[in-house]
Amino acid sequence: AQSVTQLGSHVSVSEGALVLLRCNYSSSVPPYLFWYVQYPNQGLQLLLKYTTGATLVKGINGFEAEFKKSETSFHLTKPSAHMSDAAEYFCAVSDFTQGGSEKLVFGKGTKLTVNP
Amino acid sequence: NAGVTQTPKFQVLKTGQSMTLQCAQDMNHEYMSWYRQDPGMGLRLIHYSVGAGITDQGEVPNGYNVSRSTTEDFPLRLLSAAPSQTSVYFCASSYGPGGTYEQYFGPGTRLTVT
Repeated sequence: AQSVTQLGSHVSVSEGALVLLRCNYSSSVPPYLFWYVQYPNQGLQLLLKYTTGATLVKGINGFEAEFKKSETSFHLTKPSAHMSDAAEYFCAVSDFTQGGSEKLVFGKGTKLTVNP
Repeated sequence: NAGVTQTPKFQVLKTGQSMTLQCAQDMNHEYMSWYRQDPGMGLRLIHYSVGAGITDQGEVPNGYNVSRSTTEDFPLRLLSAAPSQTSVYFCASSYGPGGTYEQYFGPGTRLTVT
């Protein structure tokens, strides 16, 4: 079964600074990879996903992530943080249920704080 | 489109009570899922459905029942609530399997069991 590790449950950056949120997955077989964002008191929404092809994936709100097979990583970055980026970010990887359907396995989340 | 809607937003139950969390979507998605979110645990899959009349268990199904009589609705039933079921519950829908397709999440139901 797949597992996802997000390094750092809390990350704090200054407005305008680089945002780097780390995600590693367990499988040697490249899965589909996702980043979801959860703003306070809301449901999750998709930031970006990697399926096949180009390993650098661009998402909404200026975020991007790079799939590195050799490192089993899918780190999320944004060159310049904005106050509105404060949220919790979840990395997720595709896996299969016991019934054989595809499902998502989520990491535990990283809460991003942006300081003025 | 309303997207994915969930009711109620908040609920307090006593141990042993039962209740149904409602979920509806108006995007004609075949796939629907229920997750629970606990602090420091991420989201865990409770039950999912690949179409009307077809449901299956996820990672943490114990204590929960589901049914899918229509494409639009996917209610989650707690048969006898326990304090361990205190959580935030999210319903999600997608065109295809959640491991491939974008999932659209509802706003959540915050449940407290005392």
